Amino acid sequence: NAGVTQTPKFQVLKTGQSMTLQCAQDMNHEYMSWYRQDPGMGLRLIHYSVGAGITDQGEVPNGYNVSRSTTEDFPLRLLSAAPSQTSVYFCASSRAGGHGYTFGSGTRLTVV
Amino acid sequence: AQTVTQSQPEMSVQEAETVTLSCTYDTSENNYYLFWYKQPPSRQMILVIRQEAYKQQNATENRFSVNFQKAAKSFSLKISDSQLGDTAMYFCALDNNAGNMLTFGGGTRLMVKP
Repeated sequence: NAGVTQTPKFQVLKTGQSMTLQCAQDMNHEYMSWYRQDPGMGLRLIHYSVGAGITDQGEVPNGYNVSRSTTEDFPLRLLSAAPSQTSVYFCASSRAGGHGYTFGSGTRLTVV
Repeated sequence: AQTVTQSQPEMSVQEAETVTLSCTYDTSENNYYLFWYKQPPSRQMILVIRQEAYKQQNATENRFSVNFQKAAKSFSLKISDSQLGDTAMYFCALDNNAGNMLTFGGGTRLMVKP
């Protein structure tokens, strides 16, 4: 049982480049979400999904897109990378009922 | 909007002693869930303990227990018999019961000293 798998673990982008962070879960969880963690801070919600075909914005959505075509996958797209997007990104999933989220191992993204 | 506040940026404790991490929160929901997550240097987010707001009994998981005060909107974590492996960042988090998001506090860095 792999849980939540994020790829890549590390990435360096140049300003203006685009890329997709991949996230997959094998627990059949309804809910999936993306967070970013900046140094010395807690995690902040970027986008979330409560099921296939349904997505919505979180606290810091600007510059990011998501889609959820299947229950398992929830990719995060950076449209035009900016240095302010340098951060650690976490994908998480959960089933209904407040059971707590299972997190992926994170992606450290640096935009130069 | 809901908020979570952790007022202790850093704490330290001697091995085998007890330490309490503080957390306060604000939400307009009556039914919600509270969590403590541990983030060691590996950066993996690990669920430590979970509390359901409609349950008065405080949650316990081995050496970890909480003091949940709903009226005061307080949710502290007590770690007993601290071990070196407890050294990590600890985050308090609130689930708004819609299951679609967690709101995190800023974290407390805990150092367990030998």
